[in-house]
Amino acid sequence: AQTVTQSQPEMSVQEAETVTLSCTYDTSENNYYLFWYKQPPSRQMILVIRQEAYKQQNATENRFSVNFQKAAKSFSLKISDSQLGDTAMYFCASSLNTGTASKLTFGTGTRLQVTL
Amino acid sequence: DTAVSQTPKYLVTQMGNDKSIKCEQNLGHDTMYWYKQDSKKFLKIMFSYNNKELIINETVPNRFSPKSPDKAHLNLHINSLELGDSAVYFCASSQGQGRPQHFGDGTRLSIL
Repeated sequence: AQTVTQSQPEMSVQEAETVTLSCTYDTSENNYYLFWYKQPPSRQMILVIRQEAYKQQNATENRFSVNFQKAAKSFSLKISDSQLGDTAMYFCASSLNTGTASKLTFGTGTRLQVTL
Repeated sequence: DTAVSQTPKYLVTQMGNDKSIKCEQNLGHDTMYWYKQDSKKFLKIMFSYNNKELIINETVPNRFSPKSPDKAHLNLHINSLELGDSAVYFCASSQGQGRPQHFGDGTRLSIL
């Protein structure tokens, strides 16, 4: 079984500042994937970033980057130059391969508010 | 063009009724999923189909029955709706293991 823990229910950051959202996970798998998804008030689930566990290099996507610490089972998300449009719930998720499908296990989410 | 589309977006109905939610994806993906997001925003997988074959079936009441007529469609039928079924239901699709899942906009189901 996999578990994903997000210990920060809510966070706030000022526009243009940097914020880091924490995530830890537990898995017995060797080959797995980690994701951050964003859910704005519009309710859509939007992929932010993906990390392959066998890759040591941290994934980056424009202003979004991760700090992947495999031994510590930690997968934090850093948002640089925060924008008002970054206001959303952020979910960390791990992926367990099950046959031909991948089962996503989500954390409880961190609500991020970007302020002026 | 919408990649994963769900209908309806909102569904309000009474306890005891039967309802269906439809999902279609035009991404050419082989695998489709249903997730439930409860009132505390917690997301949990319910089912997954790969090319019309059931792959994942989590502990979900028998009142929930997914149906996949082809690999581009995965519908969810719910019998005898209960108050606890109120939630947002998300459909998703992906291609291959470990690939990102693309989500629909969700269906908010409210049971009166």
